[in-house]
Amino acid sequence: SQTIHQWPATLVQPVGSPLSLECTVEGTSNPNLYWYRQAAGRGLQLLFYSVGIGQISSEVPQNLSASRPQDRQFILSSKKLLLSDSGFYLCAWGDSQNQPQHFGDGTRLSIL
Amino acid sequence: GDSVTQMEGPVTLSEEAFLTINCTYTATGYPSLFWYVQYPGEGLQLLLKATKADDKGSNKGFEATYRKETTSFHLEKGSVQVSDSAVYFCALTGSQGNLIFGKGTKLSVKP
Repeated sequence: SQTIHQWPATLVQPVGSPLSLECTVEGTSNPNLYWYRQAAGRGLQLLFYSVGIGQISSEVPQNLSASRPQDRQFILSSKKLLLSDSGFYLCAWGDSQNQPQHFGDGTRLSIL
Repeated sequence: GDSVTQMEGPVTLSEEAFLTINCTYTATGYPSLFWYVQYPGEGLQLLLKATKADDKGSNKGFEATYRKETTSFHLEKGSVQVSDSAVYFCALTGSQGNLIFGKGTKLSVKP
């Protein structure tokens, strides 16, 4: 069966520090991969999605970036975190359009 | 663009009460519709889905029917339990295969 792993579960970082969040999927090939952010009281916002290795699409301008170095690995990064980057980050995978997506347990990021 | 609107929360109910969480959508084409649930401190879990008009999704006593004529996908449960306390998200599939979510409705069920 397919599983999705996301880490770390929680992270506290100072303003201006770098960020790397990792997400891996097992049990499927060539999944579509997604990063979402859930800010307090604002629902979920799609940040990045990827349909294949090295293919990244960004939905919103920001100081975050994403990479997909391997088929089932999706990384969210930042060179310098801002206070506004605080939130709950969720990775998800899906087989194809119009099918459900499956979410990781999320990373709660607090910026001090 | 495509969007989802769901009722504002929080919703507080007593155990065994009837639950309705309204969800309406705007979309071009024929998206699939979903309800996800998020328990405290956890990620999102798929609760139910419907892929075409008049489909009824159901799971764990929850139901929702894809109504194309009213562009709605309201979530219902006949008798809620304390364990149903969570945040519920209505969503549809966007043009890139991503999900477009409503803002979520927090449900609290009191014993």
